[in-house]
Amino acid sequence: KQEVTQIPAALSVPEGENLVLNCSFTDSAIYNLQWFRQDPGKGLTSLLLIQSSQREQTSGRLNASLDKSSGRSTLYIAASQPGDSATYLCAVGGGANNLFFGTGTRLTVIP
Amino acid sequence: ETGVTQSPTHLIKTRGQQVTLRCSSQSGHNTVSWYQQALGQGPQFIFQYYREEENGRGNFPPRFSGLQFPNYSSELNVNALELDDSALYLCASSPYRGSGGEETQYFGPGTRLLVL
Repeated sequence: KQEVTQIPAALSVPEGENLVLNCSFTDSAIYNLQWFRQDPGKGLTSLLLIQSSQREQTSGRLNASLDKSSGRSTLYIAASQPGDSATYLCAVGGGANNLFFGTGTRLTVIP
Repeated sequence: ETGVTQSPTHLIKTRGQQVTLRCSSQSGHNTVSWYQQALGQGPQFIFQYYREEENGRGNFPPRFSGLQFPNYSSELNVNALELDDSALYLCASSPYRGSGGEETQYFGPGTRLLVL
């Protein structure tokens, strides 16, 4: 069974700092990996999707990498802003479009 | 383009009751997945519907059941509610094209269920 772990569970940084969120998974036979953002009490917003054949994806200040062989992904956020404060979830795509989620990293960016 | 919508937003039930949650998929999407997110946890996959048939199921008991309609909207039904069923229930749609697990899933805002 696929298990997804995210470290750290919580992170607090001053505004403007660059930061890295980590995600690891136990089964490297994945279809894709997605990073989501979740604001308190709300649904999930997709940030980046990396297909199993890709190594990284970029969108604005966000960059996600994927190393299937080691079972790891990182989400890099450049020049963090208070509006980036949220919980970030990593999800690994299995067969039939089901996603296995980690428990998330709660990010606080201090103005 | 209308996104994924869910109703109701909040719901309070008592143990043993039954509940139905509803989801309208994003325009053009033929696949709907349901997830349960307990407080402080990541979402857990309940099941997926594709073209009105169940197309994958997670580790949830049979009292969790679903339907998908010809317009691709979906319902999640939970019978004999238990206290541990209290959670945020998320619906996600995607344009599944039969090639397996390659499409971004778009999530609705969720329904928060409290079982007393």
